[in-house]
Amino acid sequence: GESVGLHLPTLSVQEGDNSIINCAYSNSASDYFIWYKQESGKGPQFIIDIRSNMDKRQGQRVTVLLNKTVKHLSLQIAATQPGDSAVYFCAENTGGFKTIFGAGTRLFVKA
Amino acid sequence: NAGVTQTPKFQVLKTGQSMTLQCAQDMNHEYMSWYRQDPGMGLRLIHYSVGAGITDQGEVPNGYNVSRSTTEDFPLRLLSAAPSQTSVYFCASSLARVDATGELFFGEGSRLTVL
Repeated sequence: GESVGLHLPTLSVQEGDNSIINCAYSNSASDYFIWYKQESGKGPQFIIDIRSNMDKRQGQRVTVLLNKTVKHLSLQIAATQPGDSAVYFCAENTGGFKTIFGAGTRLFVKA
Repeated sequence: NAGVTQTPKFQVLKTGQSMTLQCAQDMNHEYMSWYRQDPGMGLRLIHYSVGAGITDQGEVPNGYNVSRSTTEDFPLRLLSAAPSQTSVYFCASSLARVDATGELFFGEGSRLTVL
């Protein structure tokens, strides 16, 4: 059936602050997780990934944390900039390269 | 490289009409997939393919058909369009190797309205 919920969760942060976006995933057998950024009118773009044998991975200004015990992912963005304003999705690979997306969080960066 | 190319970008259909959304990639990716995204919501997997001749159902396959006759192309067919299929459709591809990242490369989307 159709999903309910017409409004994405929203996070509003001040420019220069750190942002933390959270995600709960559903399948305990998932072994690979990815964060995507989607700007208005565009397709999602890869930010960072992590495999299930890790609990932390860092990129440029971004860090992903994985807690398999509670099936939780977080994306931390350091020194958030106006260009970071977008919708952020976590995605899980459930095996065989099939990728399922979470609901998304809209990030607003206030100048 | 063009990456993932979707056509058409916009389409309006009447209820009951059929149509095909085209998707092509030039990155020699084995894995291709179709998602739909409704306003203010996430992406839901419709169908996917791990190689030519192989397709499988995703989360919301009803009302859609796919085929994968070549590595490059993965068309999505709407058999008899319904207003509930009004959405933005994204095609995505990736390398299907365990030693590669599973990063999906997305097309720019096809906005479909069914009246």
